[in-house]
Amino acid sequence: DIQMTQSPSSVSASVGDRVTITCRASHIIHNWLAWYQQKPGKAPKLLIYTTSILQTGVPSRFSGSGSGTDFTLTISSLQPEDFATYYCQQANSLPLSFGPGTKIDIK
Amino acid sequence: EVQLVESGGDLVQPGGSLRLSCAASGFTLSSYWMHWVRQAPGKGPVWVSRISNVGSTDYADSVKGRFTISRDNAKNTLYLQMNSLTVEDTALYYCVRAKGLPGQAADNWFDPWGQGTLVTVSS
Repeated sequence: DIQMTQSPSSVSASVGDRVTITCRASHIIHNWLAWYQQKPGKAPKLLIYTTSILQTGVPSRFSGSGSGTDFTLTISSLQPEDFATYYCQQANSLPLSFGPGTKIDIK
Repeated sequence: EVQLVESGGDLVQPGGSLRLSCAASGFTLSSYWMHWVRQAPGKGPVWVSRISNVGSTDYADSVKGRFTISRDNAKNTLYLQMNSLTVEDTALYYCVRAKGLPGQAADNWFDPWGQGTLVTVSS
């Protein structure tokens, strides 16, 4: 099974900050990685898939990069609506798996 | 508008059974891969099961032999039959559609999600 890890587990940031979250897979997953945003009481929302493709409607301040085992999600200028928990997910092999999450909260 | 509405979650004793339903609208459920994903309180999502457009199924090891995913094409509804439930199965269960149609390399990206139905296993 492929284990996903994320760092940091939480980050305190201010509006306008650049924030980068890292996701690491225990095995090579090529570019089969997605990022989701989850707000309290809501279902996760797909932001980015295949490492770097923005889902329709997702603001361009979000970007993804990486390959192999190491990936990043970057928010170039944090907005108030971006305070949430972010999960990475691998789709290279079964069982599909998510990272433990990174919570972005207000500094 | 594409919509997924789960139901069937409940409080059940260990060893009990439940059947979750997911009513789909705005698209033909049998044209897409469909998944169940669960999330325990305060934890990250965990993939549970999937069914392909042609009906093949896969399961996480933790539920294999206990859970069964199926669909009713006439009702455009997805199901998850859960047997021999344990306290570790306590979670919010989401019905999720694959992002794209088969052949678009989008079978295992999750979008959209339902609102979830809560399963609590406790004595």
